[in-house]
Amino acid sequence: EAEVAQSPRYKITEKSQAVAFWCDPISGHATLYWYRQILGQGPELLVQFQDESVVDDSQLPKDRFSAERLKGVDSTLKIQPAELGDSAMYLCASSLTGNNSPLHFGNGTRLTVT
Amino acid sequence: GENVEQHPSTLSVQEGDSAVIKCTYSDSASNYFPWYKQELGKGPQLIIDIRSNVGEKKDQRIAVTLNKTAKHFSLHITETQPEDSAVYFCAARYSSASKIIFGSGTRLSIRP
Repeated sequence: EAEVAQSPRYKITEKSQAVAFWCDPISGHATLYWYRQILGQGPELLVQFQDESVVDDSQLPKDRFSAERLKGVDSTLKIQPAELGDSAMYLCASSLTGNNSPLHFGNGTRLTVT
Repeated sequence: GENVEQHPSTLSVQEGDSAVIKCTYSDSASNYFPWYKQELGKGPQLIIDIRSNVGEKKDQRIAVTLNKTAKHFSLHITETQPEDSAVYFCAARYSSASKIIFGSGTRLSIRP
């Protein structure tokens, strides 16, 4: 079964440093999502792409976070500068286009900011 | 605003018994309600979903019910097994934004 690939699996960085996460969705999935999951909580949507266009980034802290999906396939989420409160699991998901298409998640990148 | 409330936050049941997790949503126009299971160190995995045009859906030991009038939906797991131990998340797609909002999760433990 096709999977959403994410890397790195774990990342430890010092506050004020830059960090980047990469996601490769399931082939053919036009919609890509980045979620942040704080320990003990549910995933929170940061940004949603339809092909290469952002359709929702209302919860993305734009002063420090950026996301791109230049060719409408893989995507990168960047944080600069990282803060202690950014420590969380960053999950990428993808789906086919359509309101009832299920999300398929990768195994995430666990970020620890020291 | 967009919100999904999930209860309980933790649930412990005897192996073989049933487990029920309940969620409520705020947007009456929501039309898609998935449930995810998350094991330690992994991403959430879809286990069952329901559309707003049906009231109940079953898949072996798992069932989901939807009450659109009350804006409630529930996950039912029967004949629980040790491998059912995990964190379960409900979610709702908010039609106005087409984004999926997750509940806060239920940690289910199956006692042997």
